[in-house]
Amino acid sequence: NAGVTQTPKFRILKIGQSMTLQCTQDMNHNYMYWYRQDPGMGLKLIYYSVGAGITDKGEVPNGYNVSRSTTEDFPLRLELAAPSQTSVYFCASSYSSSGQGALGREQFFGPGTRLTVL
Amino acid sequence: AQKVTQAQTEISVVEKEDVTLDCVYETRDTTYYLFWYKQPPSGELVFLIRRNSFDEQNEISGRYSWNFQKSTSSFNFTITASQVVDSAVYFCALSEAEGGADGLTFGKGTHLIIQP
Repeated sequence: NAGVTQTPKFRILKIGQSMTLQCTQDMNHNYMYWYRQDPGMGLKLIYYSVGAGITDKGEVPNGYNVSRSTTEDFPLRLELAAPSQTSVYFCASSYSSSGQGALGREQFFGPGTRLTVL
Repeated sequence: AQKVTQAQTEISVVEKEDVTLDCVYETRDTTYYLFWYKQPPSGELVFLIRRNSFDEQNEISGRYSWNFQKSTSSFNFTITASQVVDSAVYFCALSEAEGGADGLTFGKGTHLIIQP
């Protein structure tokens, strides 16, 4: 199993450009998450998904969009990139039995995507 | 207000010294989980431990030990006989029942430097 994979590893964007960060997991996990990590800070939750077709906002969703059309993939879309979106983005996944929520489940993280907006 | 506070921004010790990383959390839930993750210089996040709010037993895993005290809302992490390979940023995180996301709330991390 590859676990959680993210592409690209690095990207430089100009202000106003858009891009999609890809995240794929092969563990058949139902929960998936997107976090951002700013320098010297912990991770903050952007969006999450409890299963295909279901997404919801986390703590810092502004400027981002997500979709979850399959169990495996959870892409993060940046529209009109801004310097404030310069960060390292981590995708994560976890598994929970139906109806039990993901509380306390270990989250498996991808290697991250380092994004710079100039 | 921060829900997870790691007051130590950076700690530097000499190899073989013991070191304790502090974590203080805040929650109104009676059911919650606490985690520690390690982020080495390569950048990935490595899961170390998970503890639920009903289990206050301390845990030891090799050179690592964790002290969970609900009375002080703390979940501290001790490395005994530190090694250079322990150099990393360590994050404490909280998962609460309320909020719906079941996502993790992270502290800002403690940068641990082990000098040879």
